[in-house]
Amino acid sequence: DVKVTQSSRYLVKRTGEKVFLECVQDMDHENMFWYRQDPGLGLRLIYFSYDVKMKEKGDIPEGYSVSREKKERFSLILESASTNQTSMYLCASSTTGSRGYTFGSGTRLTVV
Amino acid sequence: GENVEQHPSTLSVQEGDSAVIKCTYSDSASNYFPWYKQELGKGPQLIIDIRSNVGEKKDQRIAVTLNKTAKHFSLHITETQPEDSAVYFCAAGDTGFQKLVFGTGTRLLVSP
Repeated sequence: DVKVTQSSRYLVKRTGEKVFLECVQDMDHENMFWYRQDPGLGLRLIYFSYDVKMKEKGDIPEGYSVSREKKERFSLILESASTNQTSMYLCASSTTGSRGYTFGSGTRLTVV
Repeated sequence: GENVEQHPSTLSVQEGDSAVIKCTYSDSASNYFPWYKQELGKGPQLIIDIRSNVGEKKDQRIAVTLNKTAKHFSLHITETQPEDSAVYFCAAGDTGFQKLVFGTGTRLLVSP
């Protein structure tokens, strides 16, 4: 089974901190995605990557950046955390022709 | 860009009843429509998907129908069981680039 592992299930950070959310997949998928999930808003795409060192903005990239130095790892960075970034963050991966995404279990981030 | 609307936001049924969740999409270029189930504390998991060259697909108690002309697709769950209780998300995208746009989710509650 494909596994997508997110390094933390729960995080509490202070306003203004730099926050790193890590995601690792073990099936050599070229595509990786970061979504945030908020009640009533569904899943919204923050950033995605189709290859190493490649990144593209999704629908809500403001306040976020990403890094993909290795194929299996896709990191989401909050440069200066704010309270409106309190959310559930979901990482996903896929490969061309695969059936949809495989998601990680999510990281629930609280910014205080 | 693509926009996906999903209804209803909550759905309560009695065990054994059927449940239907409906989604509409806006981009006629979308050709892949997966459905995900998210249980408490977990990431979404793919339960069924359909491509635009097919009108209906079944897998045991779940089925998905697609009307390309009207740009809508639906999830049907028959003989519901308490373990079907979860949040369900529809999505639309392109099989080539695998970028999915998600609906806002439906919380299904199946009462014994």
